[in-house]
Amino acid sequence: QQQVKQSPQSLIVQKGGISIINCAYENTAFDYFPWYQQFPGKGPALLIAIRPDVSEKKEGRFTISFNKSAKQFSLHIMDSQPGDSATYFCAARRDTGRRALTFGSGTRLQVQP
Amino acid sequence: EAGVTQFPSHSVIEKGQTVTLRCDPISGHDNLYWYRRVMGKEIKFLLHFVKESKQDESGMPNNRFLAERTGGTYSTLKVQPAELEDSGVYFCASSYLQGSGTDTQYFGPGTRLTVL
Repeated sequence: QQQVKQSPQSLIVQKGGISIINCAYENTAFDYFPWYQQFPGKGPALLIAIRPDVSEKKEGRFTISFNKSAKQFSLHIMDSQPGDSATYFCAARRDTGRRALTFGSGTRLQVQP
Repeated sequence: EAGVTQFPSHSVIEKGQTVTLRCDPISGHDNLYWYRRVMGKEIKFLLHFVKESKQDESGMPNNRFLAERTGGTYSTLKVQPAELEDSGVYFCASSYLQGSGTDTQYFGPGTRLTVL
């Protein structure tokens, strides 16, 4: 049973467009929701993270929207650039007890010039 | 500051053989995690060390997998004997827990294991 479901599996966006990746979770004990960005040949790297006490967090062109009641969160990449082409993973974790990250299945984003 | 390093970057072995993966965490990071991504699927947790102790090994798939972290520094993950379904990318991550409950996990580049 996959606890964090991510969509779409792949996404093609034109340069300057908005990329949107969605995730849904089931475990209400999760209290930390990071997004990781992975380039080919590299490991995942933390991009941005949010906690459920806020509905939105923005860092530059990257924004997380969080809907606690719906148990959903999404990543928005504004003004998408070819350099944003990568695989994006949403994840969730508890602050107490089990500290492992539970990941979504990943979204391969391609930004066309 | 050096990041998390993993060795080898790629390993191709025959079914039934043994493979040992190594992870060197960021210096000073007490937490060390192993994860695995099977082709196209989610990255799945395998186990978590705090220093040299296994804090959580609930993700280990079976007893063919053995992880160690002697001295609380680098860690090894041995697969013996390897099966076809063990193929995937094995990631190591480390973190420094700062008491508040929030710790960023820094990932290594992974080891791509192919079992033929």
